[in-house]
Amino acid sequence: GAVVSQHPSWVICKSGTSVKIECRSLDFQATTMFWYRQFPKQSLMLMATSNEGSKATYEQGVEKDKFLINHASLTLSTLTVTSAHPEDSSFYICSARVFQGRRGGYTFGSGTRLTVV
Amino acid sequence: SQQGEEDPQALSIQEGENATMNCSYKTSINNLQWYRQNSGRGLVHLILIRSNEREKHSGRLRVTLDTSKKSSSLLITASRAADTASYFCATDPYSGAGSYQLTFGKGTKLSVIP
Repeated sequence: GAVVSQHPSWVICKSGTSVKIECRSLDFQATTMFWYRQFPKQSLMLMATSNEGSKATYEQGVEKDKFLINHASLTLSTLTVTSAHPEDSSFYICSARVFQGRRGGYTFGSGTRLTVV
Repeated sequence: SQQGEEDPQALSIQEGENATMNCSYKTSINNLQWYRQNSGRGLVHLILIRSNEREKHSGRLRVTLDTSKKSSSLLITASRAADTASYFCATDPYSGAGSYQLTFGKGTKLSVIP
């Protein structure tokens, strides 16, 4: 149970373009999703918390206008990297808290590797 | 902000040996979780230990938690080459307001040599 499907798994885009990453909860409703960024050989850094039907909460230092988050339904949250630049190249992972089940309540997407050229 | 700190940052062992990784954190927690990440992949939940627990086992995994020292350890016994991955601890903070947010440590990169 409790699977989050994240797409795409990898994307290469040109500098200045926008990229959308989707995370869907497949068999549960996710009122809250978390978006993380991970640079090579580093840990996951929380970027923002996405709440269904309301504005996302961004961590300090994360640009709201650059990383647009939409959580329009209980099963879908999207992260759009706008006007991407090479320094935005990273591994992005979404996560959702699951209020049922045995595994501590968090499930993760498989991640999206973004390369901006 | 990042709370957990794992050590060592990297660990290389022979297959069959045990691997021990440690994690320290700073604030009060509801529970602490360990995850594995294969290179360039998503996270796999390994085990969760609650703040009122001191030790937990799952297969070849053994986790301890010392809330007085704000530290946890993950022991992998009889390691296998397939255990090669990065391991992260993550703290789930105590929050009465219903705000949930995992904070990850820097991770330990484990290499198991066949």
